[in-house]
Amino acid sequence: QLVLTQSPSASASLGASVKLTCTLTSGHSNYAIAWHQQQPEQGPRYLMKVNSDGSHSKGDGIPDRFSGSSSGAERFLTISSLQSEDEADYYCQTWDTGTVVFGGGTKLTVL
Amino acid sequence: EVQLVESGGGLVQPGGSLRLSCAASGFTFSSYEMNWVRQAPGKGLEWVSYISSSGSTIYYADSVKGRFTISRDNAKNSLYLQMNSLRAEDTAVYYCARSSSLGIGFDYWGQGTLVTVSS
Repeated sequence: QLVLTQSPSASASLGASVKLTCTLTSGHSNYAIAWHQQQPEQGPRYLMKVNSDGSHSKGDGIPDRFSGSSSGAERFLTISSLQSEDEADYYCQTWDTGTVVFGGGTKLTVL
Repeated sequence: EVQLVESGGGLVQPGGSLRLSCAASGFTFSSYEMNWVRQAPGKGLEWVSYISSSGSTIYYADSVKGRFTISRDNAKNSLYLQMNSLRAEDTAVYYCARSSSLGIGFDYWGQGTLVTVSS
């Protein structure tokens, strides 16, 4: 069964960098995923797609501070030069035939 | 500018029905696959349903299969979700989301409409 696993929380200081992780279940390590950001009281916003080879393609207007990478079954979202508005929930998502799967989300706190 | 605007949410009793709509603009609606995603209060995102660009292929999450029906009207640039036999656990904000042409991910989301199932 396809499952995406995310740590429930993460924190980093203003101006620092943070790397969020999304782990695919074994047998699905070649799947691409998408990252979405959800700021408080808002709808989700698409950030980027991350492929198994680490290449990524960002959504419209997504700052260069956001980047993606991969290692094995892990997909990463790195946010550099953290700003207060980056405090949000971050979800990874993937797709298999007939179903869409979301990770449980990571709540990022900017200290 | 791509816009997705949901409507139709509200308070409904258990066992009742509701029809959600999503008005799309700023892109060629008929060329894109579409989805409904929901978020229960304080919880994460849960995919609900998918419809292909022509409407010929449809998928549902197990939690709503047999109760919800997704449809679209490409002439009206609109997506719909007919929800029947509603339960308390269907209480959530419902978002429509456009599937990315890259094949993975939803690249645009609406602002959501709240559905509350309660007596």
